[in-house]
Amino acid sequence: ILNVEQSPQSLHVQEGDSTNFTCSFPSSNFYALHWYRWETAKSPEALFVMTLNGDEKKKGRISATLNTKEGYSYLYIKGSQPEDSATYLCAFNQAGTALIFGKGTTLSVSS
Amino acid sequence: EAGVAQSPRYKIIEKRQSVAFWCNPISGHATLYWYQQILGQGPKLLIQFQNNGVVDDSQLPKDRFSAERLKGVDSTLKIQPAKLEDSAVYLCASSFSTTGWAGELFFGEGSRLTVL
Repeated sequence: ILNVEQSPQSLHVQEGDSTNFTCSFPSSNFYALHWYRWETAKSPEALFVMTLNGDEKKKGRISATLNTKEGYSYLYIKGSQPEDSATYLCAFNQAGTALIFGKGTTLSVSS
Repeated sequence: EAGVAQSPRYKIIEKRQSVAFWCNPISGHATLYWYQQILGQGPKLLIQFQNNGVVDDSQLPKDRFSAERLKGVDSTLKIQPAKLEDSAVYLCASSFSTTGWAGELFFGEGSRLTVL
C-alpha cells in the first residue's frame, strides 16, 4: 500500500517566522508530487506540481524542493503571515494512478 | 472562469438514511474525482472518472456508495444506507488532464456530511 507521510502534523509560529514542512513518499515509479493549500471553509488550492528530481519551485514567499531518489519534498514559507494559516497537503502519484494524499500539516500563524 | 461547484455544503442525516452529493466540474475538464476526507486523515480517492467512464473505483464501498457522471459533465455521489463512519468531507475535483499526466486538481469547497 502506497503511503505519503507529512510532518509535522501541526505547527504554530509567530508572524515573521520562517518554517518548513516535510513530505515523504515512495521513491519507486515516481511520476509527480503536488502541494495544495487548504484554508478553512475554502477549497484546496494547488501551490506546486513537481515532476523532476531536483525541481525547485517558488511562488512569492513559498517555495518547494523535490528529491525523487530519496522520496521527499520540502515546503518552505519565508516570513510567515497570518494569511498563511491553513492545512498544507502533499500528494504523490505513480504513472497512471490517481494522487495519494498525506494527512497534511496544519499551520497556525499568530500576529 | 467558474470553479468546481458542489452541493450541498452541509448535510446532517441519521444512520441508515440516504444522501446524495452533486458536483459540476470546470468546463472542459475531462477527469473528475471524488475524495473522502475523514477528520484527521488525508483525502482518500473514492472514484475517478474520465469523461463518463470509470477509471478507478477500487476504494469505493460499492455495497453502499454509488457514483455516476452522465454525459461526461456533472456527477452525483450517493450513499445508501449511511453509517456513522461515513461522516466526512466529500471533495470533488476536476482536471483538464487525462490519466497519466501530472496536471493539477481543481477542488470544490466540499460537502460536509454528519451522520448521527
